[in-house]
Amino acid sequence: RKEVEQDPGPFNVPEGATVAFNCTYSNSASQSFFWYRQDCRKEPKLLMSVYSSGNEDGRFTAQLNRASQYISLLIRDSKLSDSATYLCVVRPTGAAGNKLTFGGGTRVLVKP
Amino acid sequence: EPEVTQTPSHQVTQMGQEVILRCVPISNHLYFYWYRQILGQKVEFLVSFYNNEISEKSEIFDDQFSVERPDGSNFTLKIRSTKLEDSAMYFCASGPGNGYTFGSGTRLTVV
Repeated sequence: RKEVEQDPGPFNVPEGATVAFNCTYSNSASQSFFWYRQDCRKEPKLLMSVYSSGNEDGRFTAQLNRASQYISLLIRDSKLSDSATYLCVVRPTGAAGNKLTFGGGTRVLVKP
Repeated sequence: EPEVTQTPSHQVTQMGQEVILRCVPISNHLYFYWYRQILGQKVEFLVSFYNNEISEKSEIFDDQFSVERPDGSNFTLKIRSTKLEDSAMYFCASGPGNGYTFGSGTRLTVV
């Protein structure tokens, strides 16, 4: 089983619509969870951390379900600029400096 | 906003040649990393570096790879004898402990 698994998409989303997608992780001891955004041939950029209680940052909402070992990202009122690949990222332990494990990404295409 | 700077942005090399990829991390960061991304695949961890030594490395990071912090500002990844399958985007990252900033990457093409 892959450490971090994502639906590769693409999710074709009309502008203004809501899109949501999940990611599953295999290591139940994982401590930290993130969503990164990656534009074509660019570096990953942190979108948001994911907290146990769920958290929101503007149009973006992230949820964590430890029992089922998945995290989710919901994008409301999609903008054309939201078109990107969204990377689910897990850090196995809380130790400072620990590596990140990336999923393969979910591609989102927002269309007018 | 502070940046992680990587040079060159694109490097083409012949199979079997040595390459050195360079990174200037953010100045007050303590942890340094190299990741790679083969075209169309996921970002993969290579190595982390703290307190002037490797703190963790993946199975990808075999004897042909090495890292160095030759002075107070640069952090380098050396690939001793490049193979075709080393062609990838190589990302340097640095962090204070929690959280990372990635550089814009070096695209390595081995021909």
